[in-house]
Amino acid sequence: QVQLVESGGGVVQPGGSLRLSCAASGFTFKNFHMHWVRRAPGKGLEWLSLIEYDGRRTYYADSVKDRFTISRDNYRNTLFLQLNSLRTEDTGIYYCGKVVPGGHDIDDWGQGTLVTVSS
Amino acid sequence: DIHLTQSPSFLSSSVGDRVTITCRANRDINKFLAWYQQKPGKAPKLLIYAAYTLKSGVPSRFSGSRSGTEFTLTISSLQPEDSATYYCQQLSDYPLVFGGGTKVEI
Repeated sequence: QVQLVESGGGVVQPGGSLRLSCAASGFTFKNFHMHWVRRAPGKGLEWLSLIEYDGRRTYYADSVKDRFTISRDNYRNTLFLQLNSLRTEDTGIYYCGKVVPGGHDIDDWGQGTLVTVSS
Repeated sequence: DIHLTQSPSFLSSSVGDRVTITCRANRDINKFLAWYQQKPGKAPKLLIYAAYTLKSGVPSRFSGSRSGTEFTLTISSLQPEDSATYYCQQLSDYPLVFGGGTKVEI
């Protein structure tokens, strides 16, 4: 069965950096586009980024463009999100997600990792 | 950018009721819309993709429909376990935004 396990969250000061990881198993990782989505406290879901199956093309929400970088290692079946220049409003639970076959809808989700940006 | 207006933001209903949630896009997104359910402390779950297609394993009381740029999630007979927040997401063009969410209280 599909399993996605995020890690790398924690507490960081404004202006700091974190690197999130998402370990994938139970499917052929290199064949699927992957997403990052977050939910800030008291708010709704916010789509952040997508990376295509081979890593050649990436897409970002305006709120994180130029600060966050999505990447993947198809040999280690791992998705990454590098978070730089963090702001207090970046606080939230970060989820990775796998797309449905042939589409971009998020078929499977990890359990999430908590990022807290606070001084 | 595409913008999604989801309504209502909150609804309270009873077991057995038929419930409808609407998501309206500000321009044509074809059928590229998904519906998710999220319960407190849990990851979201995909219910419906490509506007109409029920994900395998999701109860048949959930259904999706489309009329132009207006999309609807219907729960035909509300169950206690359906208490959750529901989100739509457009998958037509980047950024792949979500609607604001609908909290359903039983």
